[in-house]
Amino acid sequence: SDELTQPPSVSVSPGQTATILCSGDALPQQYVYWYQQRPGQAPLLLIYKDTERASGIPERFSGSTSGTEVTLTISGVQAEDEATYFCQSADRSGAYRLFGGGTRLTVL
Amino acid sequence: EVKVVESGGTQVKPGGSLRLSCATSGFFFRDFGMNWVRQAPGKGLEWVSYISTSSTFIYYADSVKGRFTISRDDANDLVYLQLSSLRADDTAIYYCARRHPETPYGMDVWGQGTTVTVS
Repeated sequence: SDELTQPPSVSVSPGQTATILCSGDALPQQYVYWYQQRPGQAPLLLIYKDTERASGIPERFSGSTSGTEVTLTISGVQAEDEATYFCQSADRSGAYRLFGGGTRLTVL
Repeated sequence: EVKVVESGGTQVKPGGSLRLSCATSGFFFRDFGMNWVRQAPGKGLEWVSYISTSSTFIYYADSVKGRFTISRDDANDLVYLQLSSLRADDTAIYYCARRHPETPYGMDVWGQGTTVTVS
């Protein structure tokens, strides 16, 4: 079955660049979306259709794609970016929405 | 302001039933598909169900198929999730999320969630 795989954690120092990967066999056929979730809060849409920034999202957040892998890049990481990031897509049929397991970003 | 607000979460015994509601405002509800997504304590996000406009398409995750039912009330801008045959692993925060208008599967507006505890 189609699944999305993310690393459990990523650490980065303030001002550096964080890259979060998401892989899945269906990704060449389906768009990917990225969400940020801070503790105790609802998810927030960051990126849609692989590379488009959602309304109000800072330019330091960007998305890219290459085959079965997609990447969320956070440039100039700030302390407030410490959160869990989830990728989301759909299976090849389009019936099932899928989430990756989430990547916890720690700002050192 | 575009908003969705979930309600109806509570503690229920295994095997019990519950109906969650999602009240929407600030947008033309009948033009949007809606999702339910859940998050078990300390775990990631799990998509639960989707209902399209006019209820034309309805999908469920395998983990809830046959036990949960999604529906919508376009007259009152509401979406529901009926939960039945509840199990301990259904314990989670349940979020209502609007389908992003420019995409097939993205979710652009989320509520704060309602908590279901099966115990």
